[in-house]
Amino acid sequence: GQSLEQPSEVTAVEGAIVQINCTYQTSGFYGLSWYQQHDGGAPTFLSYNALDGLEETGRFSSFLSRSDSYGYLLLQELQMKDSASYFCAVRDTGGYQKVTFGTGTKLQVIP
Amino acid sequence: DTEVTQTPKHLVMGMTNKKSLKCEQHMGHRAMYWYKQKAKKPPELMFVYSYEKLSINESVPSRFSPECPNSSLLNLHLHALQPEDSALYLCASSQVGGPTDTQYFGPGTRLTVL
Repeated sequence: GQSLEQPSEVTAVEGAIVQINCTYQTSGFYGLSWYQQHDGGAPTFLSYNALDGLEETGRFSSFLSRSDSYGYLLLQELQMKDSASYFCAVRDTGGYQKVTFGTGTKLQVIP
Repeated sequence: DTEVTQTPKHLVMGMTNKKSLKCEQHMGHRAMYWYKQKAKKPPELMFVYSYEKLSINESVPSRFSPECPNSSLLNLHLHALQPEDSALYLCASSQVGGPTDTQYFGPGTRLTVL
C-alpha cells in the first residue's frame, strides 16, 4: 500500500516563499502529483514529477527525490488566494489506476 | 473543454431513500473515478472505471453501486445509506497512462444522510 504524510498546517506571509513537504512509503509509483483545493471546491492539478528533480510551473515548483522518499511543493510570491489545502498524490505501478492522496496541508497566507 | 460536471450539487436523503449521483466529462478520458471526502481529510478513492470496466473497488459497502453507461458518464447509485456516509463525493477523470498523471475533478456533490 501507499502512505503519504504531510504537515497538517502551514502559515506564511503574503509575498514570501513556502515549502510543503510530502514524505512517503510506497510499494511503487509512477510519479508524484500535487493538487490544490480551496474550501468548498474541487481539487485542481498543480504539478507532476515523474523523475527526480525540480519541475517549475510559474510560481509553483515541485521536487521529487525517490532515494529519500520525499517530495515538496514550493510556492513563491505568495498571494492571499493561495490559502487552500494542498495534497500530494501517487498512482500505483500495480496498474488499474489506483491513486492515493497524502494527508493534506492547509496553507494559510497572512498579510 | 476540461470540465467535469456533477449533479446534483447538494443532496439530502433519508436512510431508506434511493438516489443517484451523476458525473459527465467530454475530454475523451477513459478512466473515471469516484472519491469520498470528509471535512479536513484527503479524498479517499472508492471506485475506478477504466475503459468502462470497473477496475478498482476499494472495499466499498454495497449500499454504493457504481455504473459507467458509456465513456462520458459515471453514476453512483445510493441505497440505504448511513449518516456516516455524509460527505463530499467527487468524480474525476483522466487519461489512461497519460504523461502527466492529471486528474480532472468535478465540483462534487455534498451529501447529507439524515
